[in-house]
Amino acid sequence: DAGITQSPRHKVTETGTPVTLRCHQTENHRYMYWYRQDPGHGLRLIHYSYGVKDTDKGEVSDGYSVSRSKTEDFLLTLESATSSQTSVYFCAISKAGDSYNEQFFGPGTRLTVL
Amino acid sequence: DQQVKQNSPSLSVQEGRISILNCDYTNSMFDYFLWYKKYPAEGPTFLISISSIKDKNEDGRFTVFLNKSAKHLSLHIVPSQPGDSAVYFCAARTSGSARQLTFGSGTQLTVLP
Repeated sequence: DAGITQSPRHKVTETGTPVTLRCHQTENHRYMYWYRQDPGHGLRLIHYSYGVKDTDKGEVSDGYSVSRSKTEDFLLTLESATSSQTSVYFCAISKAGDSYNEQFFGPGTRLTVL
Repeated sequence: DQQVKQNSPSLSVQEGRISILNCDYTNSMFDYFLWYKKYPAEGPTFLISISSIKDKNEDGRFTVFLNKSAKHLSLHIVPSQPGDSAVYFCAARTSGSARQLTFGSGTQLTVLP
């Protein structure tokens, strides 16, 4: 158990509203990631972070922004939600060091944009 | 262009028999490959992995095979159990910082009792 929690677990919102999803970890791991999961696409990387205030874009970053002001928290923001952003969002962490290759995932947030 | 492909969306196997899940990739720069298992309403959980310098890794009932020349890997589960029914994702890691993973689209495995 990598001590990852996501909040909220479920959210329904309307098109055009801002939404922020939170990922919290308890073990001070360096790397954190946000993915979305959609049928037929598997998991696609949205943004990732390699330290406090150090973030970069992933494969599907358009319409999303992130922030990491503390090691334990990684926030994903949809500035103006669209129906195409209806998805299940997963946060993941990775431990630093050459012997660590896996990512460990949180339980997910199901977001519905009406 | 999908760099990691799982061409079988679903697979059904009888309990006790072998399950073989397949994955193909196109990027020669991938240096590590992983399999994840996902139950409904849960996050993916790490199952087994293999370095690009190996051709086989085994962990209990799970074995991953890597054929670099064919850019193909497979996950063997033997014997299959009803609790193995889940979606299985193949993933590949890009070498370098941040260890980004590229995932396939997943295969739904159903093990029939």
